[in-house]
Amino acid sequence: AQTVTQSQPEMSVQEAETVTLSCTYDTSESDYYLFWYKQPPSRQMILVIRQEAYKQQNATENRFSVNFQKAAKSFSLKISDSQLGDAAMYFCAYRSPPGGRGGGADGLTFGKGTHLIIQP
Amino acid sequence: EAQVTQNPRYLITVTGKKLTVTCSQNMNHEYMSWYRQDPGLGLRQIYYSMNVEVTDKGDVPEGYKVSRKEKRNFPLILESPSPNQTSLYFCASSLSGQQYNSPLHFGNGTRLTVT
Repeated sequence: AQTVTQSQPEMSVQEAETVTLSCTYDTSESDYYLFWYKQPPSRQMILVIRQEAYKQQNATENRFSVNFQKAAKSFSLKISDSQLGDAAMYFCAYRSPPGGRGGGADGLTFGKGTHLIIQP
Repeated sequence: EAQVTQNPRYLITVTGKKLTVTCSQNMNHEYMSWYRQDPGLGLRQIYYSMNVEVTDKGDVPEGYKVSRKEKRNFPLILESPSPNQTSLYFCASSLSGQQYNSPLHFGNGTRLTVT
């Protein structure tokens, strides 16, 4: 079964600085999708960014970018110019193609999350 | 507004008293799923549905039931709740279970406490 590991239960960064959240995963499949979700105190799950395994170019969304290293099975999230509103739990997630046994039976397999604190 | 609506947001009940958490989406999504979130464990999938009348177990289905009689609704049923089902529950949907690149849209969660 696929697993997703977030090794940092908590991270802290000064406002306006850059922080990187790590995520590694285990899979035997060659094609899959990776996601980062943000969960603020409101409990909403908000999609931050996604990356297809076949794409070599790292995805970027404004201040958020990923460092995807397929061979190393690593998918880290970089947040530049951190803002107070970035404070949240961040979850890395894996989804496999239909028919694959990843993603918790055709859904997402989540890591345990990283709690990001922004220091003003 | 495109959304996934869960009700109730908070629920306190007693062991053994049957309950239903409703989930509805207005995006005409084929795929729907239920997750539970527990501290230190992340989110784990309970059940999912690829389309109407098609449901299947996720990673932690014990003690739960679901049904998908209409495309928009996917209720989660706890026939006999137990304290270990105290958790935060999320319903989610995506355009299609066949399109694994389509992101999941989540409801706002239901905080369930079973005493």
